[in-house]
Amino acid sequence: DAGITQSPRHKVTETGTPVTLRCHQTENHRYMYWYRQDPGHGLRLIHYSYGVKDTDKGEVSDGYSVSRSKTEDFLLTLESATSSQTSVYFCAISELGGNGELFFGEGSRLTVL
Amino acid sequence: ILNVEQSPQSLHVQEGDSTNFTCSFPSSNFYALHWYRWETAKSPEALFVMTLNGDEKKKGRISATLNTKEGYSYLYIKGSQPEDSATYLCAVFNNAGNMLTFGGGTRLMVKP
Repeated sequence: DAGITQSPRHKVTETGTPVTLRCHQTENHRYMYWYRQDPGHGLRLIHYSYGVKDTDKGEVSDGYSVSRSKTEDFLLTLESATSSQTSVYFCAISELGGNGELFFGEGSRLTVL
Repeated sequence: ILNVEQSPQSLHVQEGDSTNFTCSFPSSNFYALHWYRWETAKSPEALFVMTLNGDEKKKGRISATLNTKEGYSYLYIKGSQPEDSATYLCAVFNNAGNMLTFGGGTRLMVKP
């Protein structure tokens, strides 16, 4: 199994509070992604990174920011959590980008009350 | 944002039945298509990554084909087993958006 861990795995927070999810990999893969799981939509891309300090927006990036200061860590921050951000968040890594398979973390379940 | 569509949304079959489902996508600027298997309470796992028109890939009882000119891919499962019950996701990467976009998935349930 690819070495990818997400933390925390579960979090309950209140509307308006900031939240940071961490994705850590031991595979030295260049590409890292944050997806959210939404019923009927499968997985939707929030942000991705193609190298240290190189990030770009995905299809649902509003209300989220990311940082990647070293190869192994990709942080997702909800600046001011809203109930619509209640979801399961998956981090994924890839060595080759679009034409290489993604390896997913176990997911982080976030509930915003 | 790419429009990646999967059909059907869900499917119930009996053990031993063979089944297939479809992923449709815009054919312009196509680069790669991925298939993933996603069991409940687990993470998605890659089945295939295909890039060339006419590609066919096989892993055990599961196979996939790709038609990039008309913008579709089929996933086939031969002799379905209860352990095949999962959601099957396809995802498309194209040169224009530089993102891997997932379809909504097909949920397969195999009854013993």
